[in-house]
Amino acid sequence: QSVLTQPPSVSGAPGQTVTISCTGTSSNTGAGYALHWYQQLPGTAPKLIIYNNNNRPSGVPDRFSGSKSGTSGSLAITGLQAEDEADYYCQSYDTSLGASYVFGTGTKVFVL
Amino acid sequence: QVQLGESGGGVVQPGRSLRLSCAASGFIFSRYGMNWVRQAPGKGLEWVALISYDGTNAYYADSVKGRFTVSRDNSKNILFLQMNNLRSEDSAVYHCAKDRAPIFGASMDVWGQGTTVTVSS
Repeated sequence: QSVLTQPPSVSGAPGQTVTISCTGTSSNTGAGYALHWYQQLPGTAPKLIIYNNNNRPSGVPDRFSGSKSGTSGSLAITGLQAEDEADYYCQSYDTSLGASYVFGTGTKVFVL
Repeated sequence: QVQLGESGGGVVQPGRSLRLSCAASGFIFSRYGMNWVRQAPGKGLEWVALISYDGTNAYYADSVKGRFTVSRDNSKNILFLQMNNLRSEDSAVYHCAKDRAPIFGASMDVWGQGTTVTVSS
């Protein structure tokens, strides 16, 4: 049961910037726990693209950036490319039902 | 090369059991917490379970608590998920995923391709 809320979809033309929001609660992001982001291309496993709110793993293009403030965070993709069309999920740690991890509801990015 | 590879999925009747395995290579397995994450057809990601680096602590999603058990064999670099009393809603692709850092709230930086579990009569 997701407790991190994301918009179902966002879209943009190549070269544009899209932003995906992720809204949590006082038991996860609002308690100060970090937000992470994953990209899932069709038929593949998820890939970590942002960790600890705003850090990129090695090899992830700097077109991807993250931020977090209070209970919400966001992922921005600048200079949108066709290969960015994928599902994106945020993730955090939650204490409402004991120790657990939670994922966002997921956002499909369409490149027009 | 850091890799995770799942096995053990299949078709099983409701109420039966299944045991998934995840073989790890390319990193010091015994230093990291490990997770199981599942994805039902056409649905989003759902965290299932986490086991600490040494196997002494395990945590579960409410949806599987009391039915699933996560364990690990650090001598063989293998992660397990024992799934009992399976339900149709457990049908999903099951991925194992490595914690990026040895702390609660860490991200998951390595994922396996997944193994498919179908619960159907």
